[in-house]
Amino acid sequence: GQQVMQIPQYQHVQEGEDFTTYCNSSTTLSNIQWYKQRPGGHPVFLIQLVKSGEVKKQKRLTFQFGEAKKNSSLHITATQTTDVGTYFCAGYSGGGADGLTFGKGTHLIIQP
Amino acid sequence: KAGVTQTPRYLIKTRGQQVTLSCSPISGHRSVSWYQQTPGQGLQFLFEYFSETQRNKGNFPGRFSGRQFSNSRSEMNVSTLELGDSALYLCASSLAGGEGYGYTFGSGTRLTVV
Repeated sequence: GQQVMQIPQYQHVQEGEDFTTYCNSSTTLSNIQWYKQRPGGHPVFLIQLVKSGEVKKQKRLTFQFGEAKKNSSLHITATQTTDVGTYFCAGYSGGGADGLTFGKGTHLIIQP
Repeated sequence: KAGVTQTPRYLIKTRGQQVTLSCSPISGHRSVSWYQQTPGQGLQFLFEYFSETQRNKGNFPGRFSGRQFSNSRSEMNVSTLELGDSALYLCASSLAGGEGYGYTFGSGTRLTVV
């Protein structure tokens, strides 16, 4: 079945530093979605990318979808304490028969 | 508008019992998906319902089942509970589900099996 892998599993940064998490799929994805889960909370939808090579920005967050539609990244510029949480990528492949498959997430820890 | 509502928030059950969890999606959302979240395995897809029909099913044993009602509300049932079923069970709703739509998650039901 489809597998979505994320690295790193944990990332410690100083407040103000940049942060990047990477997502790789074993199969070609029809789209990729990103979610954020705060400690003790539930996943919250951030964005969806559909087109090969697509880049989208949300304030300090930049999302990219690879040309082959098998990888994606999320980059946060100048992290703030409010960015703390776990960032998940999730994707569909094969017509969605496996449902929306999530990566295991990257835990972002920010030291003030 | 109201978000996705899951009840109960917390549940403690004994091994061998069965449990039913409930999910009320956002008004107008016809797709409901269920996920199991554990520290070791992360978010694992259980199943997705759309207009009362199961559209997709994850790789879980038959003890895990679900259904969706005509008002889009959904329930999931776990029979013959095992210790390993202890997890946060999350429900997520979407306008139509499938590719192309983001999901709104509920706060989850924390199930502890003792």
